[in-house]
Amino acid sequence: GENVEQHPSTLSVQEGDSAVIKCTYSDSASNYFPWYKQELGKGPQLIIDIRSNVGEKKDQRIAVTLNKTAKHFSLHITETQPEDSAVYFCAASSSGYSTLTFGKGTMLLVSP
Amino acid sequence: ETGVTQTPRHLVMGMTNKKSLKCEQHLGHNAMYWYKQSAKKPLELMFVYSLEERVENNSVPSRFSPECPNSSHLFLHLHTLQPEDSALYLCASSLGTLRDTQYFGPGTRLTVL
Repeated sequence: GENVEQHPSTLSVQEGDSAVIKCTYSDSASNYFPWYKQELGKGPQLIIDIRSNVGEKKDQRIAVTLNKTAKHFSLHITETQPEDSAVYFCAASSSGYSTLTFGKGTMLLVSP
Repeated sequence: ETGVTQTPRHLVMGMTNKKSLKCEQHLGHNAMYWYKQSAKKPLELMFVYSLEERVENNSVPSRFSPECPNSSHLFLHLHTLQPEDSALYLCASSLGTLRDTQYFGPGTRLTVL
């Protein structure tokens, strides 16, 4: 089955800096890669996703890049703000019927 | 709000109790999921229902029993749980299943004493 590795597990940045979170996956057939943000006391919320027919996607301060050859994808957050502090999860679609395989998460702390 | 609600938000139960978790989605989706989220572990998929039929069961112990009476409601029945079952249980839904965006509820924080 699919295996997703996510790094780093914790990331501390100053407000205004950029943050990058990286994930690798094992199943070359995977072609859907969402990123979720989970704030304290809430469920994960989709923030951006990418499919394998594109290499990069942007939405305001958030971007995701995908390298299918190397089987890795990354989340980039620019001009970080304290409200960006949360746990971020990457995921990759598994082959077969339905499912997503998630990474272990990255706790992002943005200091004012 | 994502359109997926879960009740209760917190639950404390003894190992001999029987309780149920409820999930409801207001998005018109056809697939619903139960996940277990434990500290420092990836989200673990437990069950998937598509059009009220269970399509995936990832080797979950029989002390967890899902029920999907219609495409908007999903239950997780719990009995004779173990302390290691303490975790955040998340429900999600998607329009279809294969590689569709999943929308999560806020979760039920379960503590087994």
